[in-house]
Amino acid sequence: GAVVSQHPSRVICKSGTSVKIECRSLDFQATTMFWYRQFPKQSLMLMATSNEGSKATYEQGVEKDKFLINHASLTLSTLTVTSAHPEDSSFYICSARDPNRGSYEQYFGPGTRLTVT
Amino acid sequence: GENVEQHPSTLSVQEGDSAVIKCTYSDSASNYFPWYKQELGKRPQLIIDIRSNVGEKKDQRIAVTLNKTAKHFSLHITETQPEDSAVYFCAASRSGGYNKLIFGAGTRLAVHP
Repeated sequence: GAVVSQHPSRVICKSGTSVKIECRSLDFQATTMFWYRQFPKQSLMLMATSNEGSKATYEQGVEKDKFLINHASLTLSTLTVTSAHPEDSSFYICSARDPNRGSYEQYFGPGTRLTVT
Repeated sequence: GENVEQHPSTLSVQEGDSAVIKCTYSDSASNYFPWYKQELGKRPQLIIDIRSNVGEKKDQRIAVTLNKTAKHFSLHITETQPEDSAVYFCAASRSGGYNKLIFGAGTRLAVHP
């Protein structure tokens, strides 16, 4: 199947600092990528839809000035958590669909575990 | 807004028994319904999916049924094995996966030897 990578896999940062997470489609081009957040023992909650070359679409309740999304190329989307706080500690996962495949499957990255101390 | 309800939240079965997880969606425009298995700390793994033009799909021990009228779909696992123990999520999407996935709350399945 298509491959989506994320970097870093784990990050620990201090409260008040910013952290950037990268999501890459390795063997396909993705005009749209999705960012999800998952708290322990909870489901995946969509944060935003990242569109190449345009502004991201944020879900209700997600602060766009806190979670900055940049989709500068067809293979890379970044999520920057600004002024991170302990409550931002979570598992962040991205996904994308390969438009050249006949299936509707969305391919998920391996996730980034963010811990804010 | 769009919503997917999933039941039960936990399910405990004996090895060899069947397990059934049910989901109901609210957006009548949804046309793609995947099921994911997630192990602790890992990415969701697609185990089976179904499109709205199909009522049932089967892959070895796993099957999914869809009732578009009732906006209801179910996952069926037969002959369960301990390695089936994980958290399972249903999801729904418009536009064949180009659109966002709305996930159910998840079902923690435990298969006891």
